[in-house]
Amino acid sequence: GAGVSQSPSNKVTEKGKDVELRCDPISGHTALYWYRQSLGQGLEFLIYFQGNSAPDKSGLPSDRFSAERTGGSVSTLTIQRTQQEDSAVYLCASSLRAGGTQPQHFGDGTRLSIL
Amino acid sequence: QKEVEQNSGPLSVPEGAIASLNCTYSDRGSQSFFWYRQYSGKSPELIMFIYSNGDKEDGRFTAQLNKASQYVSLLIRDSQPSDSATYLCAVNKNPNLSGYALNFGKGTSLLVTP
Repeated sequence: GAGVSQSPSNKVTEKGKDVELRCDPISGHTALYWYRQSLGQGLEFLIYFQGNSAPDKSGLPSDRFSAERTGGSVSTLTIQRTQQEDSAVYLCASSLRAGGTQPQHFGDGTRLSIL
Repeated sequence: QKEVEQNSGPLSVPEGAIASLNCTYSDRGSQSFFWYRQYSGKSPELIMFIYSNGDKEDGRFTAQLNKASQYVSLLIRDSQPSDSATYLCAVNKNPNLSGYALNFGKGTSLLVTP
């Protein structure tokens, strides 16, 4: 596709439920990143993929969070047993390849609200 | 000390003036610096990136980098009301430590008044 595509755009769920967020990167981009943005907070790095492997998972806030990427393309971020503090906008970005000089391009995000 | 710091603003400038946005960072190993623009309710949009000390110009935008002072700035010439947004400074993490993710500042809100 022309840009990074994320779905759903909005998700409202009850505390304790599991949620899956999907990211489809720009075609040909091998590096994929997940961030989240909470109200009043900056963008917070969660995890990054190079191909299907995740060399850096340091930003995942707890073991309730996991992510995978298949076929070097689509990635899914899963949050188990959601808590109210998980409410945020979850943003996915991709770049042509991993590298400090590679600009990251963002999708429109998934706004997650935990009731 | 926060890794990437920006003045939250709001920074208010009249239409046609130069807006100057500043950012400091703490990791001397950082190599790449990015400016993103974020309109309310929208995702960040890449404006410019800079890797070398000095100035880099692109249209009305100029990025300035001073690695010795750990300082990066964005100048917007001939500011327009449509430039009103939050500007995010992003710095790559030290790749020797943690790959290529970005550390973001909390952003500076810019308001360009007609």
